[in-house]
Amino acid sequence: GDSVTQMEGPVTLSEEAFLTINCTYTATGYPSLFWYVQYPGEGLQLLLKATKADDKGSNKGFEATYRKETTSFHLEKGSVQVSDSAVYFCALSGRNSNSGYALNFGKGTSLLVTP
Amino acid sequence: GAVVSQHPSWVICKSGTSVKIECRSLDFQATTMFWYRQFPKQSLMLMATSNEGSKATYEQGVEKDKFLINHASLTLSTLTVTSAHPEDSSFYICSARGPGSNMGYRNQPQHFGDGTRLSIL
Repeated sequence: GDSVTQMEGPVTLSEEAFLTINCTYTATGYPSLFWYVQYPGEGLQLLLKATKADDKGSNKGFEATYRKETTSFHLEKGSVQVSDSAVYFCALSGRNSNSGYALNFGKGTSLLVTP
Repeated sequence: GAVVSQHPSWVICKSGTSVKIECRSLDFQATTMFWYRQFPKQSLMLMATSNEGSKATYEQGVEKDKFLINHASLTLSTLTVTSAHPEDSSFYICSARGPGSNMGYRNQPQHFGDGTRLSIL
C-alpha cells in the first residue's frame, strides 16, 4: 500500500540556518503530496502541496518539489526562524480502497530552532 | 477561509464515561470528514472516514462500536468514544476535505481542527 517515509528527528538548527527535511513515498498511481505543520498543542496546518510531477509547492519561505523519478518531496527553507519550531508531516493523498482519498502521513519530524 | 472547528479542545473524564467530540466546517461544506488519532510524538493514524448521510468507513483494527461516528449534515461530524477507558486517552483530530470540488478528491487539501485531548482517569 501507499506509504510515506520521512527523516527521523528531532532536528535542531540555529536561526538563519538552511533546513532540509527528507520525504520519500511509495504509491500506486499519481498521488498528490503535502507538507503539514503542527505547532505544540494544535492541529495540523497545510504548509504547501504539489499535485503532479515537477510541481513546486511553496509557502512562507518553505518549498518542496515533487520528484517522480526519485519518489521524493523534500522540504527546504533557506533561513529558518525560531517561530518555525514545530513538527512537520509529509503526506500523500492517493487512492485507498477503504477510505477514498484520506491522507497517509509520515511519522513527523520535530524541528527546534534556537536563537 | 476553509476553517474547521473542533470541540471540545480538552476533556478529562472518568473511566466508563462516553465522550462526544464535534467537528464543524465553518465556511464550507464537507461531504467527507476524517477522524485521526495521534499518540504522543507519533504520527496521525486514520481511524475512519465520515461521509455525510451514510455510514462511516472504519480502518482495520478500529472498533466501530467503540468509536461511533455520525455525519448528519454537510458541516458537522461527531465522534463519540463510548465507555471510555484509560487506553482511549489520546489526541483526536478531525479534518474536512475541500472546498474545491473542481480539483478532484486527490488534489484537495484537508483542513484540520485543532484537536481534542482526551484524558480518561
